[in-house]
Amino acid sequence: EAQVTQNPRYLITVTGKKLTVTCSQNMNHEYMSWYRQDPGLGLRQIYYSMNVEVTDKGDVPEGYKVSRKEKRNFPLILESPSPNQTSLYFCASSSRTTNTEAFFGQGTRLTVV
Amino acid sequence: GENVEQHPSTLSVQEGDSAVIKCTYSDSASNYFPWYKQELGKGPQLIIDIRSNVGEKKDQRIAVTLNKTAKHFSLHITETQPEDSAVYFCAPDLGDYKLSFGAGTTVTVRA
Repeated sequence: EAQVTQNPRYLITVTGKKLTVTCSQNMNHEYMSWYRQDPGLGLRQIYYSMNVEVTDKGDVPEGYKVSRKEKRNFPLILESPSPNQTSLYFCASSSRTTNTEAFFGQGTRLTVV
Repeated sequence: GENVEQHPSTLSVQEGDSAVIKCTYSDSASNYFPWYKQELGKGPQLIIDIRSNVGEKKDQRIAVTLNKTAKHFSLHITETQPEDSAVYFCAPDLGDYKLSFGAGTTVTVRA
């Protein structure tokens, strides 16, 4: 089954404690991206990657890092989380060689206290 | 960057009635216009899309219309049912890997 898998689904952490949210897709997609969803603000792009070892900032990259060492994985790293990073996070992937439909993971609800 | 506005932000309709959501964008280079549906506790999922060489596309009870001159496209849901209750996002694509989403429309279908 084609899918994007995020882990964990829920996470509560303390300010300053480094964390990683993993994202994996099994569709051999070149393109992957991370979004955060906040009430009234829709989905805002954090980082995206056009292929292995190619990453770029989205609209709200401050406080986040990403890496793309393998095609299937695109982890989101928060080196020093702060309460304003409390949000619902989504990973997405798509293939630019076929169509531009984006496939989303189930989401990760992060709370930073 | 792409400026995307979506209206209304909330929409309540009686079951069986129609719902229309409008999305306006600022960049005339946009050439792919999808609509996503997000059900509670899930990630968004594509429900219909249209490309710039087509003015309208239908898929059963849902349709998308595009007006490139006016730079807007709309989602139409006919004969609404309770399972249509969700958040809907438009996401005009510039083709530069930056998928910009509207703020979303929360649709509630009243039984």
